[in-house]
Amino acid sequence: QVQLQESGPGLVKPSETLSLTCTVSGYSISNAYYWGWIRQPPGKGLEWIGNIYHSGSTYYNPSLKSRVTISVDTSKNQFSLKLSSVTAADTAVYYCAREESSSRWYLYWGQGTLVTVSS
Amino acid sequence: QSALTQPASVSGSPGQSITISCTGTSSDVGGYKYVSWYQQYPGKAPKLMIYDVSNRPSGVSNRFSGSKSGNTASLTISGLQAEDEADYYCSSYTSSSTLVFGGGTKLTVL
Repeated sequence: QVQLQESGPGLVKPSETLSLTCTVSGYSISNAYYWGWIRQPPGKGLEWIGNIYHSGSTYYNPSLKSRVTISVDTSKNQFSLKLSSVTAADTAVYYCAREESSSRWYLYWGQGTLVTVSS
Repeated sequence: QSALTQPASVSGSPGQSITISCTGTSSDVGGYKYVSWYQQYPGKAPKLMIYDVSNRPSGVSNRFSGSKSGNTASLTISGLQAEDEADYYCSSYTSSSTLVFGGGTKLTVL
């Protein structure tokens, strides 16, 4: 059974960089699939952040592209998200998920982690 | 990329059928057979209900069905049950090889 678990600081100061890691169990990232990040501000809808293939190929949401970096560490079976120059608008629950197809649908999700941007 | 347009809320009585629409453009919904639907309960991760417009993952009730016409996709839930009360989100692949979500629809079972 594929399982994903997000980890990282729950509080980040404005203008700093948000860093999260998704640890995958039950499947080797190096085998295949794209791996994605999705976020959800409190009380609001879902927003796709971007994804990464095991080879390192990435796609990003154009509205976040200048601030986002997604990387993969196959040796640790993890992939990571960095979002720079954060503001309060980046406060959200951040989910990692496995993309099952090139048509970009997600069957396996992490439980999500709340990141608050505040001084 | 702009979010897909969904009604903010829909409601129905147990046993009835409801339909949630999801409107995009020819660069996303209208251009590909790659629309997905997710169900989300408060405080929980989204659950995939439909993928590639009309396909159900294993374990999802056949009361859930999806379709698409032009730039608008639809999720229909038949035989409405109390447990269907949740938020529903559509998503679509885009011409930029990215993904865009709808704003979400709150389903209330009366």
